Amino acid sequence: GNSVTQMEGPVTLSEEAFLTINCTYTATGYPSLFWYVQYPGEGLQLLLKATKADDKGSNKGFEATYRKETTSFHLEKGSVQVSDSAVYFCALSRRDTGRRALTFGSGTRLQVQP
Amino acid sequence: DSGVTQTPKHLITATGQRVTLRCSPRSGDLSVYWYQQSLDQGLQFLIQYYNGEERAKGNILERFSAQQFPDLHSELNLSSLELGDSALYFCASSVGTASQPQHFGDGTRLSIL
Repeated sequence: GNSVTQMEGPVTLSEEAFLTINCTYTATGYPSLFWYVQYPGEGLQLLLKATKADDKGSNKGFEATYRKETTSFHLEKGSVQVSDSAVYFCALSRRDTGRRALTFGSGTRLQVQP
Repeated sequence: DSGVTQTPKHLITATGQRVTLRCSPRSGDLSVYWYQQSLDQGLQFLIQYYNGEERAKGNILERFSAQQFPDLHSELNLSSLELGDSALYFCASSVGTASQPQHFGDGTRLSIL
């Protein structure tokens, strides 16, 4: 079956530090990959996506590259801000079946200190 | 604003009761998905509807059911509630293809006393 594994949190960084949140996946077929962010008390917001191997998704300074050879989709940001404090979820969606439901990782809490 | 509307925002009820959660998808989206977020299980897919028809089922209990109406809004019905059903229930919508992202509502927080 499909699964997504994320690094354990919380991740605590100082403002302007470099961020990496690891995500690896297991899937049959050819999944699309997503990062969602959940701010306290809110729903999930799409952060970025990639739909095929070597695609790079980017948004708001965050980037992630779809690596088929390592089955990874690590999230990176060069300089984090306090406002980036949230829970980040890596997710996949199968493309080769009619089932489009997202399979999520367990989430990684990021805390950025001033 | 994702364009997905969920009501109510909060529900407090007792064990054994039945509740209905409502979701209005983004304009133009034909697919609706329901997810449950709990501390012990994380984010789990429950069920998907596409243009009124059930498309896929995930880890949905037999006590739970859903439907999507002709105007594309959806309802999730939870019955014979147990303490363990306390969770945040999210609705998401999309155009229906895997490459297009799902857009999430703000969720309904269900508390069982």
